Amino acid sequence: AAGVIQSPRHLIKEKRETATLKCYPIPRHDTVYWYQQGPGQDPQFLISFYEKMQSDKGSIPDRFSAQQFSDYHSELNMSSLELGDSALYFCASSSGGTNTGELFFGEGSRLTVL
Amino acid sequence: DAKTTQPNSMESNEEEPVHLPCNHSTISGTDYIHWYRQLPSQGPEYVIHGLTSNVNNRMASLAIAEDRKSSTLILHRATLRDAAVYYCILRDVSGANNLFFGTGTRLTVIP
Repeated sequence: AAGVIQSPRHLIKEKRETATLKCYPIPRHDTVYWYQQGPGQDPQFLISFYEKMQSDKGSIPDRFSAQQFSDYHSELNMSSLELGDSALYFCASSSGGTNTGELFFGEGSRLTVL
Repeated sequence: DAKTTQPNSMESNEEEPVHLPCNHSTISGTDYIHWYRQLPSQGPEYVIHGLTSNVNNRMASLAIAEDRKSSTLILHRATLRDAAVYYCILRDVSGANNLFFGTGTRLTVIP
């Protein structure tokens, strides 16, 4: 069965550069979530989208932005990168816009900022 | 969001049952209890969820206290593949559509 696809899987950037992560949800899933997991930390919710509209915002820095496109894929844009942005970024998807369905997570994109 | 409390770590012998506790004394009537786990170097994975009644699926069982202030995730026969961090999460069905991870329980399975 198709899973959540994230790209790139690994990304290395310099401080103050910009990075873009992409997420392709499971087909027919209309909700996308972004999480950040620093080394040894628990996943932290960043932002979510339902039917291409932002549905909730967590601890996402102002330097980051995201959107969900008409084909339901999502992109997380990160600018003015800092060393502390080095982390695993997970995307998850679900269907129906409800709070009872399970989230399906991708394998993550590992961002390293040098 | 209502808070959950879990032990930082637990150990189990392989092929033994494992009971992972979670306290959520401030749970509201619209909170579902969700369990996810995260295996090393992987994204979180859904395990099970419930509202009031005990739930069973192919992965685990969820036992919910009558007052809903605590719950227990039961793995009937732990395998080495079950070594992971297990997260107990409350998700408000009437609130924002997201999932907040707290500090889970790191389960070690001993061969």
